[in-house]
Amino acid sequence: AQRVTQPEKLLSVFKGAPVELKCNYSYSGSPELFWYVQYSRQRLQLLLRHISRESIKGFTADLNKGETSFHLKKPFAQEEDSAMYYCALRGNNDMRFGAGTRLTVKP
Amino acid sequence: GAGVSQSPSNKVTEKGKDVELRCDPISGHTALYWYRQSLGQGLEFLIYFQGNSAPDKSGLPSDRFSAERTGGSVSTLTIQRTQQEDSAVYLCASSLLGQNSYNEQFFGPGTRLTVL
Repeated sequence: AQRVTQPEKLLSVFKGAPVELKCNYSYSGSPELFWYVQYSRQRLQLLLRHISRESIKGFTADLNKGETSFHLKKPFAQEEDSAMYYCALRGNNDMRFGAGTRLTVKP
Repeated sequence: GAGVSQSPSNKVTEKGKDVELRCDPISGHTALYWYRQSLGQGLEFLIYFQGNSAPDKSGLPSDRFSAERTGGSVSTLTIQRTQQEDSAVYLCASSLLGQNSYNEQFFGPGTRLTVL
């Protein structure tokens, strides 16, 4: 069965501090993993996907198959990063989301 | 259209009444998803459509919930005999499925359902 776990419901950091949002998954096949973000009063939207190996808004995420993790990282958090972040796993043509982590970046 | 649309944006109903929520996906998108976003509960998968068929209904919380999709486009989520615990934001998303494995989901604005 495919499952996505985000162990932290809430995460708070100060502006300029590093931030890491944890995501672990379970899936028997070859996973496709994504991070979605929902800013206040906006729609849920794609932030980044592991196959692109890209950095978006300073965020990166590396797929670690050995640890079955896809943690989202940013070296210097900004106040505008405050949002709800969801890790998602695509398998069998459907998507499963984690419960989400609410990130608050304090000034 | 520019994106996924949902109606109504807000729905207040009385316990025991039936409600119908509508989703208009992006034109040409073959896959459509329904999620429930409850306060403090994150994003809960409900059902997924590939075309008009729903290969995975495992997320529907009870038999009071049903969904259909017609013409490979519009989808409706129906909740019968609503309960207070059904209060949540119901999100719809669509994606373009093809041989390319990249499969971004585009989300609608959601329908906020309040059951009194």
